Amino acid sequence: GQQLNQSPQSMFIQEGEDVSMNCTSSSIFNTWLWYKQDPGEGPVLLIALYKAGELTSNGRLTAQFGITRKDSFLNISASIPSDVGIYFCAGPSSGGSNYKLTFGKGTLLTVNP
Amino acid sequence: DADVTQTPRNRITKTGKRIMLECSQTKGHDRMYWYRQDPGLGLRLIYYSFDVKDINKGEISDGYSVSRQAQAKFSLSLESAIPNQTALYFCATRSRVLTDTQYFGPGTRLTVL
Repeated sequence: GQQLNQSPQSMFIQEGEDVSMNCTSSSIFNTWLWYKQDPGEGPVLLIALYKAGELTSNGRLTAQFGITRKDSFLNISASIPSDVGIYFCAGPSSGGSNYKLTFGKGTLLTVNP
Repeated sequence: DADVTQTPRNRITKTGKRIMLECSQTKGHDRMYWYRQDPGLGLRLIYYSFDVKDINKGEISDGYSVSRQAQAKFSLSLESAIPNQTALYFCATRSRVLTDTQYFGPGTRLTVL
């Protein structure tokens, strides 16, 4: 089946630094989703991307849908302690009535105050 | 009130016991999903349901069963729990007519001794 490779697996940064993480696939995705999971909670959708080349922002977060449709990145600017958590990329592994999401293994972000 | 609720939030049980995890939603969505999360492995799909009469296996369904009692309720059962089923379990919902967004519950932490 389709797999999503996320990197890095973990990051330790100082408050105020910018963060960049990415997700790649060997197959094409028509949608890229970025989720964040706070400690002890379920994942929450941050940004959805639907068009190759699309660049979308949500506050200090910016995500891009790669031109090849096989990759996406997520940037966080001026990190703060509440950015701590696991960030997942995801994409539909099939469409129509058989819709399922494939998730990457996640990037664990730690922000030191 | 939360849109997607899971009970129990935490459970410790012994090998061989039957366990049921419950999920309820007030979002009116017809699609519901059960995922398992293990450290470093991301989210893996166990079962999914597109309506009360439609149940489908995900990538790791062995050892699990589900029941869709109503549009708003989707239960996951472990008929005979084993230690490697120790994990964090998430329920999620999705609307048929809206975006690719899945909405996750807060999770159930299950420990099998």
